[in-house]
Amino acid sequence: DTGVSQDPRHKITKRGQNVTFRCDPISEHNRLYWYRQTLGQGPEFLTYFQNEAQLEKSRLLSDRFSAERPKGSFSTLEIQRTEQGDSAMYLCASVLGEGNTEAFFGQGTRLTVV
Amino acid sequence: AQTVTQSQPEMSVQEAETVTLSCTYDTSESDYYLFWYKQPPSRQMILVIRQEAYKQQNATENRFSVNFQKAAKSFSLKISDSQLGDAAMYFCAPLTSGNTGKLIFGQGTTLQVKP
Repeated sequence: DTGVSQDPRHKITKRGQNVTFRCDPISEHNRLYWYRQTLGQGPEFLTYFQNEAQLEKSRLLSDRFSAERPKGSFSTLEIQRTEQGDSAMYLCASVLGEGNTEAFFGQGTRLTVV
Repeated sequence: AQTVTQSQPEMSVQEAETVTLSCTYDTSESDYYLFWYKQPPSRQMILVIRQEAYKQQNATENRFSVNFQKAAKSFSLKISDSQLGDAAMYFCAPLTSGNTGKLIFGQGTTLQVKP
């Protein structure tokens, strides 16, 4: 097991374009989280999946953002009509399951909107 | 809502010396977890140490230990015998109760280790 994997590592896009990021959690981890981290700040929670069900979404997740985890394994985060304010590092984390507390993080996808 | 405050944006320590990073938080819950995560430059965040709020004994993990003051809602991290590899951004994060398990992170403290 190689840990949580995120793809791509870096993405530069023009304002108004759509982007999609992928996260592959550690196998058998049924909890998956997306966080957003701007430079010099702590990560902020975006959304949470338990298996394929999206159970919580932050108010930070505007209607331009959508996340899926169709088979309870990998997850995608899509941003439509990107804005410069979307520039950030997008982190994915997975947790084994209820009763477990340690979150394992991926290396993140750094998005730059120009 | 939970809030987390790390009042030291940057800290510096000499190699082999000891440094303490501070964190205060606010929660209305009585049972929760607290974590310190380390984020090295361009590398993924990893768990350093975990404390369960119902335990009075402070957690220790090799060179890392915490000073947990539940009444004061304070959770500081002490790094002993600092090593160059300890240089990173450190985040304090309480774990909310309920079923979501989401983390609320502080603003972070950047630790520089001088040789």
